[in-house]
Amino acid sequence: GAGVSQSPSNKVTEKGKDVELRCDPISGHTALYWYRQSLGQGLEFLIYFQGNSAPDKSGLPSDRFSAERTGGSVSTLTIQRTQQEDSAVYLCASSPDRRGNTIYFGEGSWLTVV
Amino acid sequence: AQSVTQLDSQVPVFEEAPVELRCNYSSSVSVYLFWYVQYPNQGLQLLLKYLSGSTLVKGINGFEAEFNKSQTSFHLRKPSVHISDTAEYFCAVGGSARQLTFGSGTQLTVLP
Repeated sequence: GAGVSQSPSNKVTEKGKDVELRCDPISGHTALYWYRQSLGQGLEFLIYFQGNSAPDKSGLPSDRFSAERTGGSVSTLTIQRTQQEDSAVYLCASSPDRRGNTIYFGEGSWLTVV
Repeated sequence: AQSVTQLDSQVPVFEEAPVELRCNYSSSVSVYLFWYVQYPNQGLQLLLKYLSGSTLVKGINGFEAEFNKSQTSFHLRKPSVHISDTAEYFCAVGGSARQLTFGSGTQLTVLP
């Protein structure tokens, strides 16, 4: 597609379950980012990929969070043993250049942990 | 380290009036500055960006912003707003790290 695609768009899960969120970046974009947007917290950086490697994962809030990227394209963000405080919109973004001068965002995956 | 401050969390304005959304940043290195808009239940859309060159930057939907290095500001302006401009606006700074650091957002509400 023309833009960054994320799935699922909405996910309701029970506390303690694992969830996987998927991101399809814009074709040819080498850089990929995950951000989290939650009420009262604004937009928080989670992790950055350049190709398949993650030179900056400083924003991952705990070891329950992990992400991978394969083939320099699709990325998956996994949250294990979800907690209610994980409820947020998870935004994926991609950029065609290493410096992140222009970053394009997807529509987000809305996660609700009940 | 870099940070962004958006002083106004809510800005109500009447239709066809001018608006300014304020953004101040701090960074120890050269910065790139961005404004994004988020309409309800949608992702972030890039409005405009400053990378270098002219300090007055024009973006989509009639918005513009001016980079002021001495005041470390990047305020967003529009001379005449429409109801459809109602959205949340985020200022962001990049440069010292590859990721963007976002402000807390300003909810612009355009009233009829």
